[in-house]
Amino acid sequence: DGGITQSPKYLFRKEGQNVTLSCEQNLNHDAMYWYRQDPGQGLRLIYYSQIVNDFQKGDIAEGYSVSREKKESFPLTVTSAQKNPTAFYLCASTPAQVHYGYTFGSGTRLTVV
Amino acid sequence: GENVEQHPSTLSVQEGDSAVIKCTYSDSASNYFPWYKQELGKGPQLIIDIRSNVGEKKDQRIAVTLNKTAKHFSLHITETQPEDSAVYFCAARAGKSTFGDGTTLTVKP
Repeated sequence: DGGITQSPKYLFRKEGQNVTLSCEQNLNHDAMYWYRQDPGQGLRLIYYSQIVNDFQKGDIAEGYSVSREKKESFPLTVTSAQKNPTAFYLCASTPAQVHYGYTFGSGTRLTVV
Repeated sequence: GENVEQHPSTLSVQEGDSAVIKCTYSDSASNYFPWYKQELGKGPQLIIDIRSNVGEKKDQRIAVTLNKTAKHFSLHITETQPEDSAVYFCAARAGKSTFGDGTTLTVKP
């Protein structure tokens, strides 16, 4: 079955650590996105990529980094520069054509300990 | 850039009643309007969408209407059931999607 997989489901980070969240899709989608969701809040765009080896900053990119070396994969690194990283992180993908919705992963809940 | 406003932020209805969620957008270049349902602890799922050349679309108990002139679109859920309780997001897409802030729908049995 085609889909988008995020791992791990839960992640704990110590102060000063970098952590990487995985996002893999086998839908052959061109575009991939990372969103942050805080409790009771909406979706805030961190980074997005429309083609391999290219990505753009979203609204809250500070303290985060990404790579897009393969079409299927779009990992997100939460660096120590992100001062308040505790949140629910969602990855999504979509074809390049406009008239398609996003397919979201099941999310990674990151907690600072 | 695009700006999407969604109302209300919370909505509580009795089982069997109808629920309506409204969104407005600012960019006239947006031409695709999806709606997503997010259950607790899960990722959002696409439940219905509408393209700019269509005024209304129905799928069983849910329907979406679009008024391109006024730049607003709405989600209608009829005969609500407790399992409809979730957070609903609207979006408008020209290139990438811009999401509304979400509506928490509670259906009381």
